[in-house]
Amino acid sequence: NAGVTQTPKFQVLKTGQSMTLQCAQDMNHEYMSWYRQDPGMGLRLIHYSVGAGITDQGEVPNGYNVSRSTTEDFPLRLLSAAPSQTSVYFCASSPVNYGYTFGSGTRLTVV
Amino acid sequence: AQRVTQPEKLLSVFKGAPVELKCNYSYSGSPELFWYVQYSRQRLQLLLRHISRESIKGFTADLNKGETSFHLKKPFAQEEDSAMYYCAPSPAIPTFGRGTSLIVHP
Repeated sequence: NAGVTQTPKFQVLKTGQSMTLQCAQDMNHEYMSWYRQDPGMGLRLIHYSVGAGITDQGEVPNGYNVSRSTTEDFPLRLLSAAPSQTSVYFCASSPVNYGYTFGSGTRLTVV
Repeated sequence: AQRVTQPEKLLSVFKGAPVELKCNYSYSGSPELFWYVQYSRQRLQLLLRHISRESIKGFTADLNKGETSFHLKKPFAQEEDSAMYYCAPSPAIPTFGRGTSLIVHP
């Protein structure tokens, strides 16, 4: 098992550009979530999904879109990048009633 | 809905001292609670689940329904325990606490 795979590991964007952060898991987990981690702010939930075809907003959803067309994949789209979206992004997956397995993160810089 | 609160941003102790990282929760049903650890520049890892009542790396956590707490404890801290620690409810409600940075001084 590869676990939770996030790509890319590093990315630099210009303000206004769009991009998709990829997240894939091969553990057949129902739950998947996206977080951003900023210094002093902990881990903030962006969007989450409890199964294929079902997504919901978290604490900081503005400027981000997600979709869950398959159990395995949960991409995060930045619609029009802003410097405030400079952060480390983590994807995580979990089966029901167990804890999350996290990806290794994507470090995004918006200039 | 379940929510967790970690009241301390930073906890600083010396090697060999006891450690207690606080987590308080509010819930509308039976709580499911977890502790995660993140070492410097690494991904988060699951440390403990409340239902398993296990000890991992010397850490334990007991669910106290009277105080609505799930504090993480270790009797003798080690330098390698320095990390960020997050308390979190069930993955069905995936909002984490803000985290506590534990620094263990030699």
